[in-house]
Amino acid sequence: GAVVSQHPSRVICKSGTSVKIECRSLDFQATTMFWYRQFPKQSLMLMATSNEGSKATYEQGVEKDKFLINHASLTLSTLTVTSAHPEDSSFYICSARDPPGEGSPLHFGNGTRLTVT
Amino acid sequence: QKEVEQNSGPLSVPEGAIASLNCTYSDRGSQSFFWYRQYSGKSPELIMFIYSNGDKEDGRFTAQLNKASQYVSLLIRDSQPSDSATYLCAVNDRDNDMRFGAGTRLTVKP
Repeated sequence: GAVVSQHPSRVICKSGTSVKIECRSLDFQATTMFWYRQFPKQSLMLMATSNEGSKATYEQGVEKDKFLINHASLTLSTLTVTSAHPEDSSFYICSARDPPGEGSPLHFGNGTRLTVT
Repeated sequence: QKEVEQNSGPLSVPEGAIASLNCTYSDRGSQSFFWYRQYSGKSPELIMFIYSNGDKEDGRFTAQLNKASQYVSLLIRDSQPSDSATYLCAVNDRDNDMRFGAGTRLTVKP
């Protein structure tokens, strides 16, 4: 089955620093990847759609200058949380469709738990 | 606004019973439907998908879809304590956007 690898699984950083999260599709190519955020006991919230070779599409209310997305290849997307603040502490999860195309299921990475102190 | 609605629960069933999880959606043009299981502190895991009206069975899990009623459900037979998790209903709408319900928390008591 489709495997999405996400790294790191857990990160603690100080306020004001930046954190990079990597998301890789291991056995399939993903021209599009999706980044979600989930606060405790809340539902998944789509932050942005990452597109290989072009700019990411951000959901309303998500600051594109704070959450930098780069989709450098067909198997790698990165999310950088810049100038992190304690309110950015959350569970960040990437996903991709396999097989690619309309109607296919999303497969999720294991998530990254970010704690900003 | 395209919505996916689930009862947040918690739903509690005894071990060995059938757990029934329900989901309704608002976009009649939706074509693909998914159930994910999410354990506390973990990311969602795909357990079932269904595209056509009717039932689809996979082991102890059965997904049921009724497009006329805009309703999709998940039945878990012979529920086990390890099935205790939050179950997310996801619907791929007519714009190919995946929309998630808030999830139903299921507890299976030994």
